[in-house]
Amino acid sequence: DGGITQSPKYLFRKEGQNVTLSCEQNLNHDAMYWYRQDPGQGLRLIYYSQIVNDFQKGDIAEGYSVSREKKESFPLTVTSAQKNPTAFYLCASSPRPGANTEAFFGQGTRLTVV
Amino acid sequence: DQQVKQNSPSLSVQEGRISILNCDYTNSMFDYFLWYKKYPAEGPTFLISISSIKDKNEDGRFTVFLNKSAKHLSLHIVPSQPGDSAVYFCAARGTYKYIFGTGTRLKVLA
Repeated sequence: DGGITQSPKYLFRKEGQNVTLSCEQNLNHDAMYWYRQDPGQGLRLIYYSQIVNDFQKGDIAEGYSVSREKKESFPLTVTSAQKNPTAFYLCASSPRPGANTEAFFGQGTRLTVV
Repeated sequence: DQQVKQNSPSLSVQEGRISILNCDYTNSMFDYFLWYKKYPAEGPTFLISISSIKDKNEDGRFTVFLNKSAKHLSLHIVPSQPGDSAVYFCAARGTYKYIFGTGTRLKVLA
C-alpha cells in the first residue's frame, strides 16, 4: 500500500533536547512538506522540499532543521532553540511541485515537551 | 499575514441539511484550491479541489464554489451526515507549497 508513514505517533522530549521526527513516503512523490498544527492556528508550514538535496524554509522554520538525502525521506529535527515545540506535526507529499494536485498527509506525530 | 482565512471557527448543522463552509483568500495569484477534512489526532484527508479556471466542482455530496472576483470559495455538503463531523481546512496552492486556513469545526447533529 502506498502512503506516508510518520513515526513515532507520540513523542516526549525533555527541555533542551533535540528530537527527530521521521517521515517516509513510497508514493514516488517529488515534493515533501512539514506542517505544525496548534489549536486555533490551522496548519503552518515549517519546511518544504521540491526535490532531493534541496529544501526551503516555510513560515515558522526557526528552531527546526530538515534534510532530504533521499526522495522517500524528509526527517524533521526539533532543536532546543524551538521555544514552544509541543504540537502536532504533520508531514505531507505531492507528486510534482507546482502541479495542480493534492498533497497527501501522514497520520502525524504528537510531540510533548516534559 | 494570513493569506487564507476561514472566519468561522465552528458550525453546527442538523443531519440531512446543507452545510456551507466558507474561505477567503488574499492573493489573486492563487490558481488551485483544496478542501481537506481532519479528525482529531489524524492527518488531513483530501476532499475536493477546484482550479481557478472553473467556478464549480462537484463530487458526490460535496461541491466547491469559487468566486474569483470576491476571492472567496465555499464548500457545500448536501445532505450532511453525522460522519461529516470534523474540522475542515481550506487550502490554496502557492508557489511550490500549500497554504492552509485555520479550519472550521463542523458538527452535524443527529
